[in-house]
Amino acid sequence: EIVLTQSPGTLSLSPGERATLSCRASQNVASSYLAWYQQKPGQAPRLLIYGASSRATGIPDRFSGSGSGTDFTLTISRLEPEDFAVYYCQQYGRSPITFGQGTRLEIK
Amino acid sequence: QVQLVESGGGVVQPGGSLRLSCAASGFTFSSYGMHWVRQAPGKGLEWVTFIRFDGSNKYYADSVKGRVTISRDNSKNTVYLQMNSLRTEDTAVYYCAKDPHEYGDYYYFDYWGQGTLVTVSS
Repeated sequence: EIVLTQSPGTLSLSPGERATLSCRASQNVASSYLAWYQQKPGQAPRLLIYGASSRATGIPDRFSGSGSGTDFTLTISRLEPEDFAVYYCQQYGRSPITFGQGTRLEIK
Repeated sequence: QVQLVESGGGVVQPGGSLRLSCAASGFTFSSYGMHWVRQAPGKGLEWVTFIRFDGSNKYYADSVKGRVTISRDNSKNTVYLQMNSLRTEDTAVYYCAKDPHEYGDYYYFDYWGQGTLVTVSS
């Protein structure tokens, strides 16, 4: 099973700042089959990024994904108030699919 | 627009059974695989099961294999999750989620329902 470790656990930033979230895999993620989701309290997750770097439909271009192999990054270029949430990475290159434990992005 | 609406959650005793439903609209349901993903209270996400667009193949997480069954009725645009021999550790919000590619099995999720809470407790 591929274990995904997200860091930091909590990130405290201010609106307008740049956020960099990390997702490290215990094994190579085949074909960069990595996705990122955003989840706000009481809501379902929302797909942000798939294929490590492709934005999902309707996702603002301040969200970007990068990386390959075992190291992946989600970057939010300029934080908006609505971006403060929990972010999960997920690999779907090898069964069983697995999620990271999440990074909480909070307002400083 | 795509909508997924789960129902059927509730409180059940350990060893009991429950059937969840997910009604889909806004897309050609019969062309897409469907998943169930769960989230224990205050915890992260766990994939549970997947069914192909035509119901021909089904896959399960080891944690639920032998205790849950996924099925679908393409005439009703609905996917189901039959859960038996429930344990306290099955307590979670259960989300149905859509696979993103027509006739494909990509195992990520482009649309999610709002979830239904299953509580297993005596």
